[in-house]
Amino acid sequence: GENVEQHPSTLSVQEGDSAVIKCTYSDSASNYFPWYKQELGKRPQLIIDIRSNVGEKKDQRIAVTLNKTAKHFSLHITETQPEDSAVYFCAASDGNTGKLIFGQGTTLQVKP
Amino acid sequence: DAGVIQSPRHEVTEMGQEVTLRCKPISGHDYLFWYRQTMMRGLELLIYFNNNVPIDDSGMPEDRFSAKMPNASFSTLKIQPSEPRDSAVYFCASSFRDVEKLFFGSGTQLSVL
Repeated sequence: GENVEQHPSTLSVQEGDSAVIKCTYSDSASNYFPWYKQELGKRPQLIIDIRSNVGEKKDQRIAVTLNKTAKHFSLHITETQPEDSAVYFCAASDGNTGKLIFGQGTTLQVKP
Repeated sequence: DAGVIQSPRHEVTEMGQEVTLRCKPISGHDYLFWYRQTMMRGLELLIYFNNNVPIDDSGMPEDRFSAKMPNASFSTLKIQPSEPRDSAVYFCASSFRDVEKLFFGSGTQLSVL
């Protein structure tokens, strides 16, 4: 089955800097890769996703890149703001069942 | 739509007691998922349903856990008997037509003493 690893586990940046979170997956048949943001005490919410036929997708200050050959994908946040502070989860779809397998999460702290 | 609704928000119980968590998915969604979140193991999929039918329960940790979906607007996750290691946040999520774009509920924080 699918296995997803996420790095780093914690990340601290200054406001205005960029943040990058990386994930690797094991199932070459995976074709869907979402990112979820979970603020403290809140529910995870989908912020961006990418499919395997696309190499990059942007939404304002957030972008996701996918390298299918290397089986890794990354979340890029530019011009970080204190409200970006949260736990970010990557996920990959299991190639057989389609169900999402989540990474362990990255706690991002943006210092004002 | 109010989104996915879970109850209770917090549950504190003693070891050996039965615990029932409840979920109301978004109206019209045909997939429902139960996840467990802990610091050690992150977000784990326990079970999911499609059109009220359990599709994959391979994540259910043991026989003490059971889940039902008697109709399209209600699901329960039951733990009997509960143990301290069951302490976690339990999320319900729903989606429309596929298992990909999940909408999560607010979660139930379960503490088993």
